[in-house]
Amino acid sequence: GIQVEQSPPDLILQEGANSTLRCNFSDSVNNLQWFHQNPWGQLINLFYIPSGTKQNGRLSATTVATERYSLLYISSSQTTDSGVYFCAVGDKLSFGAGTTVTVRA
Amino acid sequence: GAVVSQHPSRVICKSGTSVKIECRSLDFQATTMFWYRQFPKKSLMLMATSNEGSKATYEQGVEKDKFLINHASLTLSTLTVTSAHPEDSSFYICSARLAGGIYGYTFGSGTRLTVV
Repeated sequence: GIQVEQSPPDLILQEGANSTLRCNFSDSVNNLQWFHQNPWGQLINLFYIPSGTKQNGRLSATTVATERYSLLYISSSQTTDSGVYFCAVGDKLSFGAGTTVTVRA
Repeated sequence: GAVVSQHPSRVICKSGTSVKIECRSLDFQATTMFWYRQFPKKSLMLMATSNEGSKATYEQGVEKDKFLINHASLTLSTLTVTSAHPEDSSFYICSARLAGGIYGYTFGSGTRLTVV
């Protein structure tokens, strides 16, 4: 199956800071999504981004399909951004191990 | 956008009993739904693909007789954990995708199962 690697595994930010999360995958894919899992377990779909760049408020994402990686940018981080961010790829959504983000006030 | 409803959100059951978890696509039809399991502080592991009107496809290592999946309609898939044991305690979550898929997969809110 497709291997998905996320980095860093943990990220601690001061409120207002910017950050970049990375997702590398082992094979070409026609589906890639970024999710935020909140403390109650709900997976919030942030981006469906098999290629290109998208922005939604303080979040943006870029996928370079030919080089098999995707980046999630968080700007002006807020405490509500805390949680685990997952990258998932492929038709059956293979998940990476996630990046745990903690934003401190 | 597509909405997936999952119930119950939390269930505690005794060892040896069975528990049914429902996953519904509220405003779209889903010929395929996926069931995942997540252990604490771990990633999501795909358990099976639920296909409307046919048998589910299970991932390697997942016991199909333990985790019964039924996808009887285009809007409902159920996962039944049979003869549950404490090691089945976990967070179970389903997902579905709106045909045409420009939004990708949508997930239910998950079910936290505790077997005592």
